[in-house]
Amino acid sequence: GAVVSQHPSRVICKSGTSVKIECRSLDFQATTMFWYRQFPKKSLMLMATSNEGSKATYEQGVEKDKFLINHASLTLSTLTVTSAHPEDSSFYICSAHRGNSGNTIYFGEGSWLTVV
Amino acid sequence: KQEVTQIPAALSVPEGENLVLNCSFTDSAIYNLQWFRQDPGKGLTSLLLIQSSQREQTSGRLNASLDKSSGRSTLYIAASQPGDSATYLCAVYTGANSKLTFGKGITLSVRP
Repeated sequence: GAVVSQHPSRVICKSGTSVKIECRSLDFQATTMFWYRQFPKKSLMLMATSNEGSKATYEQGVEKDKFLINHASLTLSTLTVTSAHPEDSSFYICSAHRGNSGNTIYFGEGSWLTVV
Repeated sequence: KQEVTQIPAALSVPEGENLVLNCSFTDSAIYNLQWFRQDPGKGLTSLLLIQSSQREQTSGRLNASLDKSSGRSTLYIAASQPGDSATYLCAVYTGANSKLTFGKGITLSVRP
């Protein structure tokens, strides 16, 4: 069964509104989670590294005020797309690293965001 | 900076063919390499994981090889089926709690 749950799987929102995507590790504690974004016919690109209890580390070119990441507990990280625009429409996916086994990575199912 | 390349971007083959998908990476200092499958509108499914010390992994009709020194991996699909149609992504992992670097993927279409 899934060990990382991502919700919602699909969301449609109006321009200017904010939308929150959750990433939960179901049966393990994840001190580090990663958020990726995928544009059509492009590879997955890392947006930010989410660290439990501290600020996220954003990749170059990713607006931290637009893509708010919160990792408030060892099992939950959230990505909030603020003041969404149509160009934010994309596939967002999270991954979580399992405890001390740093090379065991689990992915969520992904979230398809459409901004209209 | 690690770069992962998958060529060609798309491939169409008749059912039953054996095929090879290629992946190359620029920095050979990797922990492992993974092959994923992505169906349209869906998330990622991990197919095979090869640790840096391994040369290949097999699962059913799939076989993945890794030549770390030359920066190459191949995914071999035996007796392809229409249900194999999907995008196949390879990704390399360069360190504990580090990110994965993905290729752009190869979109495979298997014709009945």
